[in-house]
Amino acid sequence: KNQVEQSPQSLIILEGKNCTLQCNYTVSPFSNLRWYKQDTGRGPVSLTIMTFSENTKSNGRYTATLDADTKQSSLHITASQLSDSASYICVVSVKEGYQLIWGAGTKLIIKP
Amino acid sequence: DAGVIQSPRHEVTEMGQEVTLRCKPISGHNSLFWYRQTMMRGLELLIYFNNNVPIDDSGMPEDRFSAKMPNASFSTLKIQPSEPRDSAVYFCASSLGGQAQWGTGELFFGEGSRLTVL
Repeated sequence: KNQVEQSPQSLIILEGKNCTLQCNYTVSPFSNLRWYKQDTGRGPVSLTIMTFSENTKSNGRYTATLDADTKQSSLHITASQLSDSASYICVVSVKEGYQLIWGAGTKLIIKP
Repeated sequence: DAGVIQSPRHEVTEMGQEVTLRCKPISGHNSLFWYRQTMMRGLELLIYFNNNVPIDDSGMPEDRFSAKMPNASFSTLKIQPSEPRDSAVYFCASSLGGQAQWGTGELFFGEGSRLTVL
């Protein structure tokens, strides 16, 4: 069964600290993996996409990694800011189709 | 560019009433999705349209739910009659791509319609 699991479920850190969010998937055949950020009361917005051949990709203070062998991805946030408080959702695309397998998300709270 | 536009942003109604949610996708996008989000179940796909044709409606909970896409720039999700368990945030999202050519698969979401059924 295609599944995406994220950990932790929630995380509280102090402003300025770093954090890493995890995403494990059992999706086949794999097409790509995308991280979305969802601010409270808003729709999800794409942060980055990881394809099979990519190991690391950065977008400002966000760095995503993908290990296709172990089927794991992480999202590392450096020097967190209050505006990083949001839910972060991992979603995997199934190849040759329209199916998207969504994780439950990690709720990140940044405290001043 | 205008993003995906949804209305209403908030809807409070009583059990048994009809609810209609509306969506205008991004111009040029040929795929449209309706999702429901709750704390318990996260994001759930309700229905997927490609080129205005419903492709997958297996996520529609029951006959009380119906969705239409009469043209490329408008879609509706209707609940009749509504029940308290339908309370959730309903998102519309659009994208480029289709059944066989998904491409990068980025979805562009609207701001959502928060539905409360009393």
